[in-house]
Parts: sequence; C-alpha cells; structure tokens
Amino acid sequence: GAGVSQSPRYKVTKRGQDVALRCDPISGHVSLYWYRQALGQGPEFLTYFNYEAQQDKSGLPNDRFSAERPEGSISTLTIQRTEQRDSAMYRCASSLGAGSYEQYFGPGTRLTVT
Amino acid sequence: QKEVEQNSGPLSVPEGAIASLNCTYSDRGSQSFFWYRQYSGKSPELIMFIYSNGDKEDGRFTAQLNKASQYVSLLIRDSQPSDSATYLCAVRGRDDKIIFGKGTRLHILP
Repeated sequence: GAGVSQSPRYKVTKRGQDVALRCDPISGHVSLYWYRQALGQGPEFLTYFNYEAQQDKSGLPNDRFSAERPEGSISTLTIQRTEQRDSAMYRCASSLGAGSYEQYFGPGTRLTVT
Repeated sequence: QKEVEQNSGPLSVPEGAIASLNCTYSDRGSQSFFWYRQYSGKSPELIMFIYSNGDKEDGRFTAQLNKASQYVSLLIRDSQPSDSATYLCAVRGRDDKIIFGKGTRLHILP
C-alpha cells in the first residue's frame, strides 16, 4: 500500500484481556515507531525499531507492554492484562531510515478497555 | 528527561495574517526538527522539517531553527481557515528517538 496501515482501527476489550495491535509500514521503510496519544496531547513515544531490531523501548509504560518486528516489516504491539488506563489512540509511524528522516503516521488504533 | 515544550493555545489569528508557532527543546544534541499538523480526529501530517540553523521556506510555511537558543518556530503566512488545527513540534535526538510536544491549537478567525 501507499501509506502506513494499522489494524484494527478500533478495539474494545475487557479489563484483563490481552490485545495485539498491528502496524504495516510503508514498503522499504527501515524505521518503525510506536506512539500513544491521549486526547489533546501530542504523541508519546513508546518504542522504535530499525529493521527487526528494537532500538529503544524506554517509553513502554511497564512490562505489560511489548513490541516486536520479527521480519523487519510488520510490527505488533501487545498489551497484556489490559487496564482501563491503557485506553488511548495507539499510533504507528515509519521512516525511510535512521538519521534525519521524516516519519509518516498510520491512521491509529483506538483502544478502549472497559 | 528530554522535553519539547509548546504553548498549548489556543492561538487565534485573523484570516490573512501571519501565525507564529513556537517550540523549545531541552536536548542540545538534537539533530532534526519537524512540524506536524493534526486535524481533530486525524493522524499527524508532516508539513515541514529542518536540520540546519536558519530559515526554510515552503510555500506559505517557514520553519526557523536556532540551535544555540534551542528554539524552533513555524510561521504561516496568509493564514486560511483551513490552517485551523493543532500543530505539533517534534525533535529527533542523537539516539533517533523522536519526542513530540503537546501541540499548539491554532484557530484562524474568518
């Protein structure tokens, strides 16, 4: 596809369930970023990858959050034992490479934990 | 803790005037700087990026960077109602981690 895609676009889950959010970056983009965005706030960095290697996961809130990108393309952000405070828009962005490259955002996944 | 600071606004500017949006950052080693526009309910959209000190112009938009003052700004000339949005400043550090500010809400008054 031409842009970054994310699925599902909307996810409603019950507290305590695990969820997996998927990101498919622009073809050929080396770097992939995950953000969380609360209403009225800027995107909050979670983690990023170059190829399949996770470069920085310092933004992951706690050990219930994990991410992988096993083949250097599609990435999955997994949240285990979801809590209501995890409800947010989760955004993925990709860029051509490391260094001074601009990044392009996907449409986001709106997660609601009930 | 690396920080990117923006005035949350709202900033109200008459149609046709110049809108000036400002951003400061804490990491002196930051490499590149981005301005995104985000309409309500939509994803951030890149509008400008700048790496070197000085001005960079693209149509009605001018980005200005002053690394000594750790300051980056965005000027929008001939503001249009369609420019009403939240403008996000983002900064990439030497570790390639990109940090966003909270955004400034801009409202162009018809």
